[in-house]
Amino acid sequence: DGGITQSPKYLFRKEGQNVTLSCEQNLNHDAMYWYRQDPGQGLRLIYYSQIVNDFQKGDIAEGYSVSREKKESFPLTVTSAQKNPTAFYLCASREGRSNYGYTFGSGTRLTVV
Amino acid sequence: QKEVEQDPGPLSVPEGAIVSLNCTYSNSAFQYFMWYRQYSRKGPELLMYTYSSGNKEDGRFTAQVDKSSKYISLFIRDSQPSDSATYLCAMSARGMNRDDKIIFGKGTRLHILP
Repeated sequence: DGGITQSPKYLFRKEGQNVTLSCEQNLNHDAMYWYRQDPGQGLRLIYYSQIVNDFQKGDIAEGYSVSREKKESFPLTVTSAQKNPTAFYLCASREGRSNYGYTFGSGTRLTVV
Repeated sequence: QKEVEQDPGPLSVPEGAIVSLNCTYSNSAFQYFMWYRQYSRKGPELLMYTYSSGNKEDGRFTAQVDKSSKYISLFIRDSQPSDSATYLCAMSARGMNRDDKIIFGKGTRLHILP
């Protein structure tokens, strides 16, 4: 079945550590996105990539980094510079010619301990 | 004024009732309108989508767009406990444009009471 796989489902990070969240899709979609979801805040765009080896900052990119070396993969690194990283992180993809909507992964819950 | 406004709820209704969920928006360039359903600790899933004004029906769900009022609605008939979730509205201006981004509402939490 085609879809987006995010791993791990739950992740714990110590203060000062970098962690990487995985996002893999087998939908052959061109564009991929990372969102952060906090209670009462809705979805906030962190980074997005329209094609391989290219990506753009979203609304809240500070403290995050991404890479897009393969069409299928768009990992997100939460660096120690991100002051409040505890959140639910969602990866999404969209076919290049689609007018509608994203396909979302099931999310990663990151907690700083 | 935020681009998309959505009442966060929670909205609690008895099983079998008709549910009305709404969003308002300020950008008159929006043409593509979507509703997502998100269960707790899951990713959102696309429920319905419409282009420009008008109604679209799919089973118990009806999506309605009124561009003149900048107002969209999702109606759920014969609501079921399994409809309990957060519903997010979303919209974009030019769906074919590679740089176009989808703008999401903050979501309305819905509880259907058995």
